[in-house]
Amino acid sequence: GAGVSQSPRYKVAKRGQDVALRCDPISGHVSLFWYQQALGQGPEFLTYFQNEAQLDKSGLPSDRFFAERPEGSVSTLKIQRTQQEDSAVYLCASSPGQGGRNEQFFGPGTRLTVL
Amino acid sequence: DAKTTQPNSMESNEEEPVHLPCNHSTISGTDYIHWYRQLPSQGPEYVIHGLTSNVNNRMASLAIAEDRKSSTLILHRATLRDAAVYYCILRATGNQFYFGTGTSLTVIP
Repeated sequence: GAGVSQSPRYKVAKRGQDVALRCDPISGHVSLFWYQQALGQGPEFLTYFQNEAQLDKSGLPSDRFFAERPEGSVSTLKIQRTQQEDSAVYLCASSPGQGGRNEQFFGPGTRLTVL
Repeated sequence: DAKTTQPNSMESNEEEPVHLPCNHSTISGTDYIHWYRQLPSQGPEYVIHGLTSNVNNRMASLAIAEDRKSSTLILHRATLRDAAVYYCILRATGNQFYFGTGTSLTVIP
């Protein structure tokens, strides 16, 4: 079956521009996660959804970052007024359920470059 | 959040076993131990996970210490395709994965 897909795969933005990154999780997966991965570092948690509810947004670095999942499937991560420090790979993952035993299935990521 | 400690890098010869260690001395009773790997320019990929008992699957084996304060991922015969960054992660009923910096595995032909 289809895995997690993300679009666009690459995005170049001028500083100050708004961007929207899309994630299509595996069908039926309840949980959805966003991560930010800087060059040479491990992924860092940004936010988590259970269905359409955003249950944890403690990792969002500033109020310029906003995520939504209005119908409990597709999710969008929006970054307003992008800054150079926002340059990173943004990873989306989905999971069939809650709980520590559930694995996460990752998409290929969107590489954002802010000039 | 309970954290993990891994060596920054390791090397292995092709077709030999590889043992990747992970320390997690602050693990709690409900934390599952997950291993993921990330190949260049790809998202992380699930490898294996366990709670208390050792686990085997088609990709690898996971050996968990009796006190659960450490674990070892075992690749039985390393191939060039196994060259990746390997992350040891603890996950409880909360929803965050803390990846850390992982172990970069180099496989020498």
